[in-house]
Amino acid sequence: QKEVEQNSGPLSVPEGAIASLNCTYSDRVSQSFFWYRQYSGKSPELIMSIYSNGDKEDGRFTAQLNKASQYVSLLIRDSQPSDSATYLCAVNKGGQAGTALIFGKGTTLSVSS
Amino acid sequence: DADVTQTPRNRITKTGKRIMLECSQTKGHDRMYWYRQDPGLGLRLIYYSFDVKDINKGEISDGYSVSRQAQAKFSLSLESAIPNQTALYFCATSDSRGMGSYNEQFFGPGTRLTVL
Repeated sequence: QKEVEQNSGPLSVPEGAIASLNCTYSDRVSQSFFWYRQYSGKSPELIMSIYSNGDKEDGRFTAQLNKASQYVSLLIRDSQPSDSATYLCAVNKGGQAGTALIFGKGTTLSVSS
Repeated sequence: DADVTQTPRNRITKTGKRIMLECSQTKGHDRMYWYRQDPGLGLRLIYYSFDVKDINKGEISDGYSVSRQAQAKFSLSLESAIPNQTALYFCATSDSRGMGSYNEQFFGPGTRLTVL
């Protein structure tokens, strides 16, 4: 099993819809989970961090974490064409004191106007 | 603005040449990282440093070396470049204090390296 798995996509949604991006991870002791947005040819930009089970909302973004199921998701409400990018899920390996972020390969989101 | 900068932004070189990529940050973070990104393979960790005297190998360190010249500077060297080191290279930083202890990382703009 890969350490961090994401569907590569592309995920296509119309403008104004909710985009749902999913990520599973294999290391049960992981404590920190991140979503990065990466536009083509640019660097990853941190958009959400989540550390506890449940939901965390920031503007149009909601991160959801279920440690029992080893599952992290990102919801983007009222999707805009500017949200079209690759979204990377990252997990802090080895728990809070772990040293490495393990990245999924990313899900490409396309929002059509 | 506190930032992470990388030089050069683009570099084309030939097989066998020595190349150095540099990273500087004004965030005041103590931890720094080097990643490479390849299509279909995602981001992979090359080296990381928790302070000037603490340097560690990552997942794919073979063929690379690093130097932490100061808290704010972390350089990556390719001693003898080969074509399969053609990739996008990113530097990242994190702060071991506060929420940084959860390992939130912030990335520089990247260096696109082509080895012919």
